[in-house]
Amino acid sequence: EIVMTQSPATLSVSPGERATLSCRASQSVTTSLAWYQQKPGQAPRLLIYGASTRATGIPARFSGSGSGTEFTLTISSLQSEDFAIYYCQQYNNWPRTFGQGTKVEIK
Amino acid sequence: EVQVVESGGGLVQPGGSLRLSCAASGFSFDSYAMTWVRQAPGRGLEWVSGVSFNGGDTYYTDSVKGRFSISRDNSKKTVFLQMNSLRAEDTAIYYCAKNWGYFDCWGQGTLVTVSS
Repeated sequence: EIVMTQSPATLSVSPGERATLSCRASQSVTTSLAWYQQKPGQAPRLLIYGASTRATGIPARFSGSGSGTEFTLTISSLQSEDFAIYYCQQYNNWPRTFGQGTKVEIK
Repeated sequence: EVQVVESGGGLVQPGGSLRLSCAASGFSFDSYAMTWVRQAPGRGLEWVSGVSFNGGDTYYTDSVKGRFSISRDNSKKTVFLQMNSLRAEDTAIYYCAKNWGYFDCWGQGTLVTVSS
């Protein structure tokens, strides 16, 4: 099983600032990497797939990068609606696996 | 509108069974694989199971192998998760999602509570 490790566990950011979230895979997943956003009481929402392709309707302030074992989600200028938990997920191998999540909170 | 809606959750005793359903609309259901993901209270996301577009291939996380079974009825645009021999650690919100690589449409989930 591929283990996905996200860092940091919690990120405190002021509105308007840049947020950088990291995700590491225990072995290469090529670019088969997705990012999700989850707000309290809601289902997750797909943000990024293929490591860097924004899903339909996702604002341009969200960007993804990386390949192999190291990935990054960047939110260029945090808006109030972006404070949430973010998960990475690999789909290169079975079983599919998620990271433990990074909580982005208001500083 | 692309949509999936789960149902069938509830309270069940340890060792009991439950069958979850996921009704899809707004897309060509029989062209897409489908997936179940769960989230225990206050915890992260855990992939549970996936089924191919025609039901011919299925995958499970190790902790549910032999206890859970995924299936689909393309004529009814519905995917199912039959859960047997339920344990306390199966308590979670169960989400249905479209696709089995990345998941581009999620339902609101159905809560399964395993407790005596």
